[in-house]
Amino acid sequence: QVQLVQSGAEVKKPGSSVKVSCKASGGTFNSNAISWMRQAPGQGLEWMGGIIPVSGTTHYAQKFQGRLTISAHKSTTTAYMELSSLRFEDTAVYYCATTHPMFQLADIWFDPWGQGTLVTVSS
Amino acid sequence: EIELTQSPGTLSLSPGERATLSCRASQSISSNYLAWYQLKPGQAPRLLIFGASSRASGIPDRFSGSGSGTDFTLTISRLEPEDFALYYCQQYGGSPLTFGGGTKVDVK
Repeated sequence: QVQLVQSGAEVKKPGSSVKVSCKASGGTFNSNAISWMRQAPGQGLEWMGGIIPVSGTTHYAQKFQGRLTISAHKSTTTAYMELSSLRFEDTAVYYCATTHPMFQLADIWFDPWGQGTLVTVSS
Repeated sequence: EIELTQSPGTLSLSPGERATLSCRASQSISSNYLAWYQLKPGQAPRLLIFGASSRASGIPDRFSGSGSGTDFTLTISRLEPEDFALYYCQQYGGSPLTFGGGTKVDVK
């Protein structure tokens, strides 16, 4: 059974960067993409981007282009989301999720999800 | 971009009652590419429905999805205590994929 476990909560200063990890177990890392979403306080879910680990192919939402880097280490079946130039409005819970169908970063849905990582941007 | 409007914003019901959640799209969603998720504080979000009406693995049959085009519905036939949560729809038929604003199902 696929399981995603994310790294712990972070507190960051405006202008800095944060890197969140997502460790996958259960065998889909070689076939399914990993996507990242976030939910800001009182807001809905927002898709940020994703990676197909087996090929390294990435796709980012236009809103995050230039500020977001998603990477993956196949040997450790871990995906990473790094967001730079942090602003107060980046305070959110960040989620990773296994992406379906296999080998796609478009026309996609998500299952399962990680438990979420709270990133707080505060001066 | 396809905008999804979920209604109502909050649904106050009692255990055992039927819940009907709506998700309306600003334009037709191709191939009925619509999913529903359940979110609870401190827990991983859970996929309930994909393809508008296909139940995900392990999801009880009290959850059902229906609809096509621009109007979609998630129905919970009889609310169990564990069903009181936040629910989101997501469309993946248009780019970028988008989520609705959510419906909170709380205890009356």
